[in-house]
Amino acid sequence: GQQVMQIPQYQHVQEGEDFTTYCNSSTTLSNIQWYKQRPGGHPVFLIQLVKSGEVKKQKRLTFQFGEAKKNSSLHITATQTTDVGTYFCPYASGGSYIPTFGRGTSLIVHP
Amino acid sequence: DAGVIQSPRHEVTEMGQEVTLRCKPISGHNSLFWYRQTMMRGLELLIYFNNNVPIDDSGMPEDRFSAKMPNASFSTLKIQPSEPRDSAVYFCASSSGTGPNQPQHFGDGTRLSIL
Repeated sequence: GQQVMQIPQYQHVQEGEDFTTYCNSSTTLSNIQWYKQRPGGHPVFLIQLVKSGEVKKQKRLTFQFGEAKKNSSLHITATQTTDVGTYFCPYASGGSYIPTFGRGTSLIVHP
Repeated sequence: DAGVIQSPRHEVTEMGQEVTLRCKPISGHNSLFWYRQTMMRGLELLIYFNNNVPIDDSGMPEDRFSAKMPNASFSTLKIQPSEPRDSAVYFCASSSGTGPNQPQHFGDGTRLSIL
């Protein structure tokens, strides 16, 4: 069956450093979404990527969808303490979309 | 605009008791999702409704869990009898449009502790 792996599971950075999390799929994805969950909070939708090779930016966040639509990445430039949280990449494949969030990547930013 | 509303926010009860979690989706949204989140397993989809009809309940752990959506503005997730391993945060989410492949809006969750 389809598998999507998100790495790393945890990442510690010093404030001001960059951060990247990756989602890699064994099959072609129809689209991929990114969510952020602050500690003690609920997941909040950030963005959806649909097109091959798509790149979208939200201030210091850059989202990419691979050319083969099998991987995606979220890059944060110059992290801030407000970036702390868990980032998820639920995905869609084929005609069926059963969202799989998993454990995501937890980002810890040290001031 | 009101977001997804869940109640209660916290629930502590003894094992064997019935637990009912409630969710009011965003008005106009036609898809509703129930999730469970634990440290070990992350955020797991339990069941997905579209237009009040359960479409996929393959994530429901066992017969002790049941979910209903009697109308477009209300859904419940029931655990009977509850067990300590059911302790988790339960989220409800809703989305608009056709199919589940739309951005989801989450409620604040119910933090459930079974003693």
